[in-house]
Amino acid sequence: KAGVTQTPRYLIKTRGQQVTLSCSPISGHRSVSWYQQTPGQGLQFLFEYFSETQRNKGNFPGRFSGRQFSNSRSEMNVSTLELGDSALYLCASSLEWGRGNTEAFFGQGTRLTVV
Amino acid sequence: DQQVKQNSPSLSVQEGRISILNCDYTNSMFDYFLWYKKYPAEGPTFLISISSIKDKNEDGRFTVFLNKSAKHLSLHIVPSQPGDSAVYFCAASATGANSKLTFGKGITLSVRP
Repeated sequence: KAGVTQTPRYLIKTRGQQVTLSCSPISGHRSVSWYQQTPGQGLQFLFEYFSETQRNKGNFPGRFSGRQFSNSRSEMNVSTLELGDSALYLCASSLEWGRGNTEAFFGQGTRLTVV
Repeated sequence: DQQVKQNSPSLSVQEGRISILNCDYTNSMFDYFLWYKKYPAEGPTFLISISSIKDKNEDGRFTVFLNKSAKHLSLHIVPSQPGDSAVYFCAASATGANSKLTFGKGITLSVRP
């Protein structure tokens, strides 16, 4: 069965622009989470969606937003890009939400570079 | 406030020996713990998990131990292989509304041939 698909894999944007990243979860998975990975900071949680509703949100400014569609696909948007937004953005899917004891499976990520 | 801590940034072991990767947590609500392995330019890959009702879980060369009283878990890899060289992330979650995964900063494991 197909894994988590993230597009695009690489992206270069200019400061002040906005960007939209896409994530298609594993078939049958209804929960999608987004993480930002920067050197030395590990994976920082952005937000989590289940049944088209945001269930959890991390400590990121309002420039970071997301949504989930009825087919469980998710997008995240970053507006007014800053140099510090350069990172690997990872999407993870899992079967359910709220149960805790559920593994999350990650996509390969989108490498965003802001210049 | 980092709720999941991997205090050693790196570990180097000889091929064939045991690798022990440690992880500490502070949130007593965590009841599920996972280890992920990550190669450069790839997403993390799920390795092994353990529920708080257990103290050990084994899968092939990988064993995870959980000490709830110490809020500590460890991943043992025996025997270590050069292909195990990667960054290993410890993660934790809690059942309920705040079930998101909280990750540590990762440990870079190098296995020397």
